[in-house]
Amino acid sequence: AQSVTQPDIHITVSEGASLELRCNYSYGATPYLFWYVQSPGQGLQLLLKYFSGDTLVQGIKGFEAEFKRSQSSFNLRKPSVHWSDAAEYFCAVGHYNTDKLIFGTGTRLQVFP
Amino acid sequence: EAGVAQSPRYKIIEKRQSVAFWCNPISGHATLYWYQQILGQGPKLLIQFQNNGVVDDSQLPKDRFSAERLKGVDSTLKIQPAKLEDSAVYLCASSPGRGAYEQYFGPGTRLTVT
Repeated sequence: AQSVTQPDIHITVSEGASLELRCNYSYGATPYLFWYVQSPGQGLQLLLKYFSGDTLVQGIKGFEAEFKRSQSSFNLRKPSVHWSDAAEYFCAVGHYNTDKLIFGTGTRLQVFP
Repeated sequence: EAGVAQSPRYKIIEKRQSVAFWCNPISGHATLYWYQQILGQGPKLLIQFQNNGVVDDSQLPKDRFSAERLKGVDSTLKIQPAKLEDSAVYLCASSPGRGAYEQYFGPGTRLTVT
């Protein structure tokens, strides 16, 4: 069965520091992968997605993610974090044959000035 | 382009009462989803509509939850009777159609059952 694991429940970084949020998936075929961000009291906003092709994908707000098939990972990165990046981040996996998204449990990012 | 609209934003009810949530998807989006997000967890799909037909409701607790999407546009999700464990944020999302499209989420309705 499809599943998504986000090993880090809570991450704290200083403003200006680099960031990497981990995501591992379990799926038999090539998955479609997504990262969403959720600010307090808000819905989820799509940061980036991977369907095929270049394994390094660029998203909004300066985020990028790299698909590594050998490690079943799709980690999210940002070179320099801003205080406004503090939010909850969700990794999700889907497949072209279904429209269902399976979400991870999320990583809460806290940014210190 | 207007986003996904949901109402109400917040609702507090007592257990065994009923409640309904409303969702208006992005114009032209054929697929509509309802998710339940319990505190500390990721969203879990409850039901998926394609136009006004149900595609997947395997995770919907049908003894108490119901949903409809009349005319293939707006949708309502109802809980009757509510239980304490139904306290969660209910998210509505829409996408242009079947197949690997990203989903666009509304702001959600936070339900508290006391």
